[in-house]
Amino acid sequence: GENVEQHPSTLSVQEGDSAVIKCTYSDSASNYFPWYKQELGKRPQLIIDIRSNVGEKKDQRIAVTLNKTAKHFSLHITETQPEDSAVYFCAASERVRGGSSNTGKLIFGQGTTLQVKP
Amino acid sequence: DSGVTQTPKHLITATGQRVTLRCSPRSGDLSVYWYQQSLDQGLQFLIQYYNGEERAKGNILERFSAQQFPDLHSELNLSSLELGDSALYFCASSPRGTGGNSPLHFGNGTRLTVT
Repeated sequence: GENVEQHPSTLSVQEGDSAVIKCTYSDSASNYFPWYKQELGKRPQLIIDIRSNVGEKKDQRIAVTLNKTAKHFSLHITETQPEDSAVYFCAASERVRGGSSNTGKLIFGQGTTLQVKP
Repeated sequence: DSGVTQTPKHLITATGQRVTLRCSPRSGDLSVYWYQQSLDQGLQFLIQYYNGEERAKGNILERFSAQQFPDLHSELNLSSLELGDSALYFCASSPRGTGGNSPLHFGNGTRLTVT
């Protein structure tokens, strides 16, 4: 089945700097890659997602890039702010074995704890 | 608010006991997913239901079981509880079970503490 590796596990940046989190996936058939932000004690919330027919997507200070050949995707946060401090999870869709559709299930990376220092 | 409702918010129980966690998906969503998040850990997939039927199983212990009812709400039953079962249990929902590239929408979770 699909496996997702996420790096780094912790990341500390100064306010205003950029932060980059990288993920690799194992199943070349995966075609949907969302990113979630989880604040302490709260639910994971979708912040951006990308589908395999797109190489890059931006939403204000957040961008995601996808390299299908290398099977990796990255989250970029520019002009970081203290409120960006949280745990970020990448995820990849899972393909139905021998099929042409997704199971609907997402496989998550282990998470990156981002600390933005004022 | 994600539209996914989980109850209760907190559960404190003793080892060996049995508990039931409840989840109501977003209106119109047919799929329900259960994830376990232990302290400082990632989101471990437990099980998925689609329109009342089990669709996928993850690393779910035999002591755990789940079901989805005709009104699409789901329950996760945890029995013979052990200290290591203490975790945040999240329910998520999505519109479809297969074929879609839809994000999962998470509930606020149930924090289970086994003493």
